[in-house]
Formats: sequence, C-alpha cells, structure tokens
Amino acid sequence: AQSVTQPDIHITVSEGASLELRCNYSYGATPYLFWYVQSPGQGLQLLLKYFSGDTLVQGIKGFEAEFKRSQSSFNLRKPSVHWSDAAEYFCAVGARWEAAGNKLTFGGGTRVLVKP
Amino acid sequence: DAGVIQSPRHEVTEMGQEVTLRCKPISGHDYLFWYRQTMMRGLELLIYFNNNVPIDDSGMPEDRFSAKMPNASFSTLKIQPSEPRDSAVYFCASSLGGRGDETQYFGPGTRLLVL
Repeated sequence: AQSVTQPDIHITVSEGASLELRCNYSYGATPYLFWYVQSPGQGLQLLLKYFSGDTLVQGIKGFEAEFKRSQSSFNLRKPSVHWSDAAEYFCAVGARWEAAGNKLTFGGGTRVLVKP
Repeated sequence: DAGVIQSPRHEVTEMGQEVTLRCKPISGHDYLFWYRQTMMRGLELLIYFNNNVPIDDSGMPEDRFSAKMPNASFSTLKIQPSEPRDSAVYFCASSLGGRGDETQYFGPGTRLLVL
C-alpha cells in the first residue's frame, strides 16, 4: 500500500522568502503525485500534479515541484512567498494500477505561516 | 461552474442523533469521494462511487456510517447514531474519470461537532 510522509508539521517563513515543503512517498512503482492547498475554512485546491515526463512541474500561484525517483520525493517550492500563501499544504499519492481508480493517499499536511 | 457543493457547512448535534451530510458533485463528473479530516488521523478516504455505484467503502469506520448516491447529482453521508468522536470536517470531492492522474475537486466541507 502506498503512503506519504510530510516531515514538517509547521513551517514559518518571512514574506518574500523562498519556501520548500518536503514530501516523501512509498510506492512500488512511480505513482501519480499531487500537491493540494487548503486555506482556512476552505476545501482543498489542486496546485499541481505529476504523472509522467518532465520531473519539474509548474503549478498555479507560482508553485513548482520536482519529482526525484531516487529519493522518492516530490518537494514543493516557491521562490518568493506572499502573505496569501499562508495555508495548509497536502501531498498526495495516486496509484497507477487501474483497479485503484484515482484513490488518493494524503500526507499529514504542512501548515505554513507567513511573517510580515 | 459552481464547483462541488456541500451542505450544511456547519452542523452541531448531540450524541445519539442522526446526522446527514449532503453533496452535489460537479456536473458531468462520474466519480464521487467522501473524506474525513481530523487532527489525529489527517485526511482519510471513507468511500467513493463511480456512476452512482459504491466502489470502495473500506474506509468507512463502522456500521454507523452509510453513504448513498441515488443519482449523478446527489450523494449523502449519514451517521446514525452520532458520537463525539465523529466530530471532524467531512469533504466531498468529484472527478471526471477514474484514471489515477485525474484531478479531484473538493467541496468546502461540512464541519461537524457532536456534543
């Protein structure tokens, strides 16, 4: 069964600074990988996803993520954080085998606080 | 597009009462998912449907929980009887197709508090 680990529960970053959120997964093959963001009181919104091809994926709101097979990682980055990026971020894994459909397994989330 | 619609947004009830959560998926989407989010357990998939048929309910915690999808535009998650440990945010999501790379679109959630 697949699993996802987000090692950092909280991260505090200054506005304008860079941000990197870590995600490690466990899966028998190359999975589908997703990053979602959850603003306070809101549902989850897809930032980006990886399923094949270029290992550097661009997403919305200036985010990007890099798939590294050798490290089983899919870290999320943003060069310059805005106050509106304060939210909780979830990494998720989807299985590639047809019977699984598009069930997702989520990591525990990383809460990002942005200092003025 | 209205997105995934959930109602109510907030529900406060007493232990032992029946709770019904409602979801309207995005029009045309054929997959519907119910998730539960708690501090202790994070985001868990409870059940999902394809073309109104339950495909995997292995995440449903116990018999007190039931979910139905009578048609393509409506689903319910029912808890009877409710218990304080059911307090959580319940999300509904939908997707177009069931391939592993399909995006799931989430509703705003229902925040349930069982006293």
